[in-house]
Amino acid sequence: DGGITQSPKYLFRKEGQNVTLSCEQNLNHDAMYWYRQDPGQGLRLIYYSQIVNDFQKGDIAEGYSVSREKKESFPLTVTSAQKNPTAFYLCASNPRGGNQPQHFGDGTRLSIL
Amino acid sequence: DAKTTQPPSMDCAEGRAANLPCNHSTISGNEYVYWYRQIHSQGPQYIIHGLKNNETNEMASLIITEDRKSSTLILPHATLRDTAVYYCIRTYNTDKLIFGTGTRLQVFP
Repeated sequence: DGGITQSPKYLFRKEGQNVTLSCEQNLNHDAMYWYRQDPGQGLRLIYYSQIVNDFQKGDIAEGYSVSREKKESFPLTVTSAQKNPTAFYLCASNPRGGNQPQHFGDGTRLSIL
Repeated sequence: DAKTTQPPSMDCAEGRAANLPCNHSTISGNEYVYWYRQIHSQGPQYIIHGLKNNETNEMASLIITEDRKSSTLILPHATLRDTAVYYCIRTYNTDKLIFGTGTRLQVFP
């Protein structure tokens, strides 16, 4: 069954720790995205990647890092430099070109202990 | 800046049509209108999109006014499972989706 898998669903972090959120897709999509959502707010773009080994900063990239070594995987690292990391993180993907809608995973909820 | 305006909340009786409006008065000629919905604690789900013509799929219908300054998403027979936040997005490039705060639709029995 094709889709986007985000893991874990819930994640707890101690202050000062880096933490990596997983996103895997088997839809053969070229482009992948990471968003952050705060309570009662819309989604904000952190990073996106249109092709393997390439990625671009979104609107709120500070304190985050990504890699795109494989087409199906786009992990997001929340670093200790991110001062307010508690949020709901969503990964999405879509084919390149044309107006292809993005498809989303079910998110990871990150909380600071 | 979401560039679209939606009412913050709406109610709808189960079995009735839910009509969700969206204002995009400054939309450009090459921008599409996309609709997503987000059920609590899940990722957004794509519903439908259109450019000029009205569109219909198995989930909903999209009515775009002739001047393209506004649109309406129609859920023909709302169910309790349609309770969600609905986002209207205008974009010429689906690499750049800007989500506003959407409309919280509550379907009641």
